Amino acid sequence: SQQGEEDPQALSIQEGENATMNCSYKTSINNLQWYRQNSGRGLVHLILIRSNEREKHSGRLRVTLDTSKKSSSLLITASRAADTASYFCATATYNTDKLIFGTGTRLQVFP
Amino acid sequence: DVKVTQSSRYLVKRTGEKVFLECVQDMDHENMFWYRQDPGLGLRLIYFSYDVKMKEKGDIPEGYSVSREKKERFSLILESASTNQTSMYLCASTPPGPSGGAGELFFGEGSRLTVL
Repeated sequence: SQQGEEDPQALSIQEGENATMNCSYKTSINNLQWYRQNSGRGLVHLILIRSNEREKHSGRLRVTLDTSKKSSSLLITASRAADTASYFCATATYNTDKLIFGTGTRLQVFP
Repeated sequence: DVKVTQSSRYLVKRTGEKVFLECVQDMDHENMFWYRQDPGLGLRLIYFSYDVKMKEKGDIPEGYSVSREKKERFSLILESASTNQTSMYLCASTPPGPSGGAGELFFGEGSRLTVL
């Protein structure tokens, strides 16, 4: 069962531009998390936002959460070539330690 | 630094072989997970374990089994490998999450399995 869907599936931008990725989900959540995956590697946790939070920042990352629309967005500001990776959202429901992942957005940042 | 180690980065097996994928974490985490990742399908949960000798099926458990004899080690077993199990397998661990939901997952580097 796929809980989250990212949009767009792929995104290509120039260095210095901002990148925005969106995630939609289906059921009530406890928290939503974003992960990054470099090609052929494992996933790395970026940020966690709880259901009672609306916005969170971490360095060049900004995450928003709209529980009424069941959606979240990840903004990477002033992108760099090193940001090239796939980005996944993952949702956590209440009373479970499972995370359900979306299908990911492939971000390509050209120097 | 926290670490999740998967024993093999690349494996090539033949149809019908028994395959073991090993995962070890050094963070004393209660919860461990096995996902498989396929293009266009994202990560799908195969099995997870919330304690030694405890396991629960995920979304796609068919054709797989798991073993957790020690807290730090979680093994994924393909009893009789088939070509449709060719995939990237990712192990992860986490302590119990905040307020009853899952917390941050720590992933291994992945094991890419090819079944011929």
